[in-house]
Amino acid sequence: GENVEQHPSTLSVQEGDSAVIKCTYSDSASNYFPWYKQELGKRPQLIIDIRSNVGEKKDQRIAVTLNKTAKHFSLHITETQPEDSAVYFCAASLLRYGKLTFGQGTILTVHP
Amino acid sequence: DSGVTQTPKHLITATGQRVTLRCSPRSGDLSVYWYQQSLDQGLQFLIHYYNGEERAKGNILERFSAQQFPDLHSELNLSSLELGDSALYFCASSVGSGGAYEQFFGPGTRLTVL
Repeated sequence: GENVEQHPSTLSVQEGDSAVIKCTYSDSASNYFPWYKQELGKRPQLIIDIRSNVGEKKDQRIAVTLNKTAKHFSLHITETQPEDSAVYFCAASLLRYGKLTFGQGTILTVHP
Repeated sequence: DSGVTQTPKHLITATGQRVTLRCSPRSGDLSVYWYQQSLDQGLQFLIHYYNGEERAKGNILERFSAQQFPDLHSELNLSSLELGDSALYFCASSVGSGGAYEQFFGPGTRLTVL
């Protein structure tokens, strides 16, 4: 089955800096890669996703890049703010099936 | 608020017991997914139902079972509970079946097995 590795496990940045979280996946058939943000004690919420026919996608301060050949994808957050502090999860799945395989999560802390 | 509801919010029980977790999807959503979140295992997919039918199974123990009812709500049954079953259980719903549809997570049920 699919296996998703996520790094780093913790990331600490100063407000205004950029943050990058990286994930690798094992199943070359995976073609859908969402990113979820989970604040303390709350539910995971989708913040951005990318499909395998696209190399990069942006949404304001958030961007995701995908390298299908290397089987890795990354989340980029620019101009970080304290409210960006949360746990971020990457995931992979087949578009045909909704089952998500998650990475282990990255605890992002943005210091004011 | 995602529109997905889960009850109860918290559940404390003893080893060997059986519990039922309930999930109501967003209005119009036909898919319900169940995930388990624990510190050591992270977020793991358990099972997926679409319009009453089981579509996929993940790392779900034989002691666990689920179903989706005609009104589309779903229940996850956990039996012969062990300490290691303590976790946060999320359900998520989506309008269709497959990764093309965003999954909206409920608030979760925190299960504590003593």
